Amino acid sequence: ELKVEQNPLFLSMQEGKNYTIYCNYSTTSDRLYWYRQDPGKSLESLFVLLSNGAVKQEGRLMASLDTKARLSTLHITAAVHDLSATYFCAVDQNRDDKIIFGKGTRLHILP
Amino acid sequence: AAGVIQSPRHLIKEKRETATLKCYPIPRHDTVYWYQQGPGQDPQFLISFYEKMQSDKGSIPDRFSAQQFSDYHSELNMSSLELGDSALYFCASSLKHGAGYTFGSGTRLTVV
Repeated sequence: ELKVEQNPLFLSMQEGKNYTIYCNYSTTSDRLYWYRQDPGKSLESLFVLLSNGAVKQEGRLMASLDTKARLSTLHITAAVHDLSATYFCAVDQNRDDKIIFGKGTRLHILP
Repeated sequence: AAGVIQSPRHLIKEKRETATLKCYPIPRHDTVYWYQQGPGQDPQFLISFYEKMQSDKGSIPDRFSAQQFSDYHSELNMSSLELGDSALYFCASSLKHGAGYTFGSGTRLTVV
């Protein structure tokens, strides 16, 4: 059974600092997704990582994927308050399957 | 660009009532997924449909049923509602062999 683990689950940080969220998964997968969710809102797609070594960047967020280690990271550079949200990673076991979410990382950036 | 449309956005029901949630996928997407997200929880997969046939089933209670219609929209029917059914219900759509899932805005169901 596919399991997806994120850490940390809660993160409070100062504006301007850098930090990394980690996502480990238990079985082979070739697709990993990162979503952002604001309270009570929908899931906003941030990145889709499709291959080993994939790196994608959008603004202050950068995501990478190491399929051999079954690990993805979401790196936040020089955090700003607007990035406060819950970030989920999600993995599908094969291209025909549903995606399984991690527990989410609740990020709170202090002004 | 067209997105995944869910209706209603909010729904309040009493215990033991029934509810029907609707989902209209992105045009030409052939797969629909339903997820349930409780307060402070991660989304949990309920059920999916591909080309109007059920393709996978997750932790969906027997009180719930779903189907996908000929126009590819999907409905989640929930009966004998319980307080614990209060949650955000998301629908997502994708192409069977495409990359990425697009989520709708969700339906917030409150059971009182």
